[in-house]
Amino acid sequence: DAMVIQNPRYQVTQFGKPVTLSCSQTLNHNVMYWYQQKSSQAPKLLFHYYDKDFNNEADTPDNFQSRRPNTSFCFLDIRSPGLGDAAMYLCATSRDLQNSYEQYFGPGTRLTVT
Amino acid sequence: AQSVAQPEDQVNVAEGNPLTVKCTYSVSGNPYLFWYVQYPNRGLQFLLKYITGDNLVKGSYGFEAEFNKSQTSFHLKKPSALVSDSALYFCAVRSDRGSTLGRLYFGRGTQLTVWP
Repeated sequence: DAMVIQNPRYQVTQFGKPVTLSCSQTLNHNVMYWYQQKSSQAPKLLFHYYDKDFNNEADTPDNFQSRRPNTSFCFLDIRSPGLGDAAMYLCATSRDLQNSYEQYFGPGTRLTVT
Repeated sequence: AQSVAQPEDQVNVAEGNPLTVKCTYSVSGNPYLFWYVQYPNRGLQFLLKYITGDNLVKGSYGFEAEFNKSQTSFHLKKPSALVSDSALYFCAVRSDRGSTLGRLYFGRGTQLTVWP
């Protein structure tokens, strides 16, 4: 089945140690999103790619970076994780921006910072 | 500006009873409205959406939502709740213009608990 896959599902990293989270999709969607979600709060959009165009949210810290080497894969890099970065990170895709397409979410990666 | 409000943090209902999870919206363009459900330690699952057409939208798992333009509401409903419906529910509105095109604006979520 076509889907959004996130690896790993659980990630533990040390304070200040760079970490990369992975997302892949078999939907062939143009748009990929990264969200941060803390303890039963609404997901907070960090950035998104429309094809190769990167769009950063104004309040996303510089500590968060992203790469999209091809249509299928998108990575979230946290350069120096702090304790406050512990959260669930959700990847989502959408067919396009211009129409009323829903977003499809992966299962998430729960990040713990020790 | 786009926003949605979910006025209830929690909704509790007995199994077999009808359930309603409330959502109101504010949009400056066309109201593209969505409901998502999230089970513990999982991503969000799409339930249904309103784009245009019939005000009553049917979605997954027996859920439906009623779009009411005059009340700017998009309440999620189910005629008979199941214990397995217990989860966190998010209402969202999609921006249809400008630099925020395609972005989803989520409500804060409503925790639904269905007891046996």
